[in-house]
Amino acid sequence: GQQLNQSPQSMFIQEGEDVSMNCTSSSIFNTWLWYKQDPGEGPVLLIALYKAGELTSNGRLTAQFGITRKDSFLNISASIPSDVGIYFCAGQKDNYGQNFVFGPGTRLSVLP
Amino acid sequence: DTEVTQTPKHLVMGMTNKKSLKCEQHMGHRAMYWYKQKAKKPPELMFVYSYEKLSINESVPSRFSPECPNSSLLNLHLHALQPEDSALYLCASSPTAGETYEQYFGPGTRLTVT
Repeated sequence: GQQLNQSPQSMFIQEGEDVSMNCTSSSIFNTWLWYKQDPGEGPVLLIALYKAGELTSNGRLTAQFGITRKDSFLNISASIPSDVGIYFCAGQKDNYGQNFVFGPGTRLSVLP
Repeated sequence: DTEVTQTPKHLVMGMTNKKSLKCEQHMGHRAMYWYKQKAKKPPELMFVYSYEKLSINESVPSRFSPECPNSSLLNLHLHALQPEDSALYLCASSPTAGETYEQYFGPGTRLTVT
């Protein structure tokens, strides 16, 4: 079935550093979503991408829809302690936007 | 307002109990979803309702029974659950038509089956 890979699996960075993570698949996707999840809470939508090559920003976050439509990248600039959490990518292949598959997540820790 | 609410926040139930999880959104979204999430794992899709009709059932056991009474409400009825069903149950909603498919999640119900 559909499967997404995320890397790195986890990362420890110093406050103020920039962060890069990615999401890849062997299949083509039509939509990519990036979520952040804090412990015991639901995922919060960060960025949605709908077109190959699209680059979208949300504050210190920037995400890109890969040209091949098989990957997406999320960058966080000038990390702060509240960036700690698990970052999930989610991809959707069909045209109805209903059946998303989630990647395994990247766990981010920010050291003061 | 991008809020999806879920009740209860926590639920402990025995294997012979019957309980229900509730989800509500007032964003005018016409698609609503139930996901199950185990610790340190991504959410797994269980059910999708589109225009109050069940459109996707990801081979979920019949001890989970979804219900969509109207376009704002989504329930998940639970009966004869197993301890391995303990998880965070997440509800989400999204617009169905148009060009955007963002799914907005609720805070989840933490379910423990004893």
